[in-house]
Amino acid sequence: AQSVSQHNHHVILSEAASLELGCNYSYGGTVNLFWYVQYPGQHLQLLLKYFSGDPLVKGIKGFEAEFIKSKFSFNLRKPSVQWSDTAEYFCAVNGGSQGNLIFGKGTKLSVKP
Amino acid sequence: DTAVSQTPKYLVTQMGNDKSIKCEQNLGHDTMYWYKQDSKKFLKIMFSYNNKELIINETVPNRFSPKSPDKAHLNLHINSLELGDSAVYFCASSQEGGWHEQYFGPGTRLTVT
Repeated sequence: AQSVSQHNHHVILSEAASLELGCNYSYGGTVNLFWYVQYPGQHLQLLLKYFSGDPLVKGIKGFEAEFIKSKFSFNLRKPSVQWSDTAEYFCAVNGGSQGNLIFGKGTKLSVKP
Repeated sequence: DTAVSQTPKYLVTQMGNDKSIKCEQNLGHDTMYWYKQDSKKFLKIMFSYNNKELIINETVPNRFSPKSPDKAHLNLHINSLELGDSAVYFCASSQEGGWHEQYFGPGTRLTVT
């Protein structure tokens, strides 16, 4: 069965610090990979996605992620976080014949001003 | 214009009641989904519909019944509500087949007392 692991449950950073959130998935076939963000009290919004091509993908708000197929990883990065990045971040994989999203358990990011 | 909308946003009800949550998308997508987000923020697929036909039905009690009157709507009806049904329910939609990014609604916070 497919699964997604997010290594960090809660990350606390100061503004301007660099961010890397880990995501690993288990699935042997072709997958599409996503990072979604959920700001407090809001719905999920797509940050970025990987379907094929360049494994380094850039998303909104200065976020990027790198797909490393050999490591089954899709880590999210941002060089300099802001207080407004405080949110819950979800990695998701979409694979298999039905294509439903499998989510990781999320990483809560708290950015101190 | 809101792409994926849900009503109501909040729903407080007593155990044993029956309730419905409505979802509408104006993106012209063929596939719609219901996800449940528990108190620990874990998101899990419940149902997926493609062109009004049920595609995915995860291990969900049969008290939950999705209804799709047309491809722009996917409602969720819940019978005999239980305390454990308290959660945030998200509707989402995507282009056909689910191999595409999903757009989420604002969520419905259901509280069963």
